[in-house]
Amino acid sequence: EAQVTQNPRYLITVTGKKLTVTCSQNMNHEYMSWYRQDPGLGLRQIYYSMNVEVTDKGDVPEGYKVSRKEKRNFPLILESPSPNQTSLYFCASSPEVPMNTEAFFGQGTRLTVV
Amino acid sequence: RKEVEQDPGPFNVPEGATVAFNCTYSNSASQSFFWYRQDCRKEPKLLMSVYSSGNEDGRFTAQLNRASQYISLLIRDSKLSDSATYLCVVNDPWDYKLSFGAGTTVTVRA
Repeated sequence: EAQVTQNPRYLITVTGKKLTVTCSQNMNHEYMSWYRQDPGLGLRQIYYSMNVEVTDKGDVPEGYKVSRKEKRNFPLILESPSPNQTSLYFCASSPEVPMNTEAFFGQGTRLTVV
Repeated sequence: RKEVEQDPGPFNVPEGATVAFNCTYSNSASQSFFWYRQDCRKEPKLLMSVYSSGNEDGRFTAQLNRASQYISLLIRDSKLSDSATYLCVVNDPWDYKLSFGAGTTVTVRA
């Protein structure tokens, strides 16, 4: 089954404790991205990747890192999480830059930083 | 100014009713437009693309007005299962990203 898989689905952590949210897609998609969703603000892009070893900042990259060592994986790293990073996070992939193609989303990771 | 703005609703409608709502976008260079559906903080899923000439998919009709920079979605003969948040999505051709509205919530009651 074609899918985007995120882990974990839920995470409660403490300020400053490094964490990684994994994202994997099995559709051989070139383009992957991370979004955060906060009430009233819609999805905002954190980082995106056009292909292996090619990543770039989105609208809200501060406090996050990403890597794209393999085509299928695009982990999101929070080196020192803070409470303002409490949010719902989605990973998404597309066959190409999402100009005219559908974006496929993972099931989301609900992160709480205390 | 937000790149994509939507009326958050909620729109509460009885089964069988017609409901319509718009979104506006700020980037006149945008080329691709979509409506995504999101159920109760689950992942967004593509409902339909929006084409310049307007398009239908069953009970759903999408329209694009480039001159006024707005997109509309109309749902006919509403079903309980149409209850969801509808996200207006516009591509930004210069930044290789999609811009999302905050969503319009529709609740269909029996």
